[in-house]
Parts: sequence; C-alpha cells; structure tokens
Amino acid sequence: SAVISQKPSRDICQRGTSLTIQCQVDSQVTMMFWYRQQPGQSLTLIATANQGSEATYESGFVIDKFPISRPNLTFSTLTVSNMSPEDSSIYLCSVDLAGSGTGELFFGEGSRLTVL
Amino acid sequence: GIQVEQSPPDLILQEGANSTLRCNFSDSVNNLQWFHQNPWGQLINLFYIPSGTKQNGRLSATTVATERYSLLYISSSQTTDSGVYFCAVELRDSWGKLQFGAGTQVVVTP
Repeated sequence: SAVISQKPSRDICQRGTSLTIQCQVDSQVTMMFWYRQQPGQSLTLIATANQGSEATYESGFVIDKFPISRPNLTFSTLTVSNMSPEDSSIYLCSVDLAGSGTGELFFGEGSRLTVL
Repeated sequence: GIQVEQSPPDLILQEGANSTLRCNFSDSVNNLQWFHQNPWGQLINLFYIPSGTKQNGRLSATTVATERYSLLYISSSQTTDSGVYFCAVELRDSWGKLQFGAGTQVVVTP
C-alpha cells in the first residue's frame, strides 16, 4: 500500500513564528486534505489541497493563517502562520489513494506542534 | 451540519473482555470509516464500511445506513487495543471530506 509521509513529526515553536509541514505520497493522488486535532479533541478539516488551483478552506480557517501549496500530485505543504499557543495541535494530511471518489481515506503519521 | 455521535465516550476494559462501540449519524452519508488512534497520535484505518458487516481478526463492524448507525465490536480485548476509536463519515456531495465523531477513549487493563 502507498506510504504517506509527513515532516516534521513534531516540533516546538515560538509564538509569532511560522512553520511549514510537508506531506509526501508515494503515488499520485487527486485530492489531498489537511486536518487539525487540538489536544483532547477530534479531527477537524482545515482545507482541501487542489493541484493546479487554490486550496478550498472550511469555515473558520483562512488562507492567511494556513496557506497551502500543492505543486504536484504527490506533494503538499501546510504552513501555520504567526503561531500562538492555541495552534498547538496535531496536523494530519489525508489522501484518497484510490483516487476514484467516495473511497477509503488514509492519513499520514501527523505533525505534532507545540507553540510556546 | 451533520452530527456524528459516538458512545460511550470512555471505556475501561479488562484484558479478554468484549465491547461494542456505537456511532450515530444524523443524515445520509456516502461512506463511514472507523479509525484507531494510537498513543503516538497515528490514525490506523480499521474499516471502510458504508453498509453491511466486515470482520478483521478480533474486530468487526456493522453499518446500518438506513438507520444511520454503525457498531464496532472488539472481542477478547488486549492492552494494545487501548487508544481512541473514531468513526468518521463522508458527507454526500463532499468527496473526501470526513466529519469525525468525538471518539471513544478505550483503556484495556492487564
């Protein structure tokens, strides 16, 4: 089965800085998704990363705070900008490996960010 | 929006016990998945089950789409089953977008 790799796996960041998280898939996928899991909470969809067009953001998430790139069909980045302690979360990318729609979704290992 | 409710929120089991986790959802969905989140935060796919019954070892799941619920069965639990179990549904006309329940925290004691 395909491998979904995220970098960094964890990081400790200072307030006011920005951090970019990478998601690499070893096969081409049409859609990639970014989720956030705040401490003790469930997962919430941030945005859909579309190749060749701007990301589509869910309610409550904006591009200035979470800019996303999708330069090709195997790679995406999520940047968490101007971080505050409230941004301390696990950030996960998700892909539909079958690429056929209404398919099973798989997740990367997650990137655990702590903001001091 | 759609509501996804999981019960119970917490479960403590003795090793070897059986248990049932429930997921109710408030609207029609394209599909439903069950995940296990291990202590390191990684989400492990358990079942992709929009309807019917599936089994994988000691785990099985049943989704009754017409009645909008799904059940996850854990039999002969082991300490490695500890973690958080999430169900997530894909909404109609929302390809790939999952709405997660709040999860069930399971602790299996030796």
